[in-house]
Amino acid sequence: AQKITQTQPGMFVQEKEAVTLDCTYDTSDPSYGLFWYKQPSSGEMIFLIYQGSYDQQNATEGRYSLNFQKARKSANLVISASQLGDSAMYFCAMRERSNDYKLSFGAGTTVTVRA
Amino acid sequence: EAQVTQNPRYLITVTGKKLTVTCSQNMNHEYMSWYRQDPGLGLRQIYYSMNVEVTDKGDVPEGYKVSRKEKRNFPLILESPSPNQTSLYFCASSLSASGSIGETQYFGPGTRLLVL
Repeated sequence: AQKITQTQPGMFVQEKEAVTLDCTYDTSDPSYGLFWYKQPSSGEMIFLIYQGSYDQQNATEGRYSLNFQKARKSANLVISASQLGDSAMYFCAMRERSNDYKLSFGAGTTVTVRA
Repeated sequence: EAQVTQNPRYLITVTGKKLTVTCSQNMNHEYMSWYRQDPGLGLRQIYYSMNVEVTDKGDVPEGYKVSRKEKRNFPLILESPSPNQTSLYFCASSLSASGSIGETQYFGPGTRLLVL
């Protein structure tokens, strides 16, 4: 069964606007962490933001914020004030305490920022 | 500079010709892992290692081998590559696998492999 689902294969956003990337997850483990990575066209994986299952507040890192809705099992990434350099593939990933040896990744969402 | 390095970055080979992709980290991390990335599938774990001499299969281990003789190195070996192993490969490391659930995995730059 797919543990991480990203339903948006590709998105376009206007420069300076906000964009929300959807991520839903499936786990029965009460202890888990959710990660977002950015992959620019050069190919490297860049860690953006992390949310723990027991964290009371939504995580934020600069222009990135994570809209964590535990009951709905969703962990959407919000990028505010989009920049041309935000054009990339974005991956949502999960690590469960019961399987702490690996990250399970979604299929990714490609974001293209238009000037 | 703390980093994970992979070599080669690009490789074109032919079916059946054994190859090794090297991975090295300079952060004294215990945990290392290999992933492959394919369109529409995201990254899938091939093998991982909790520490020296301790390795185990991930989700897609068929056709691959690994070894962990030293803490810093975790090579990925394709004994007889086939075209379905054409992919983008990432090595990753973290301080430990059983530490904080939020422990970040650091990724290498990736190796693009084409098997003809």
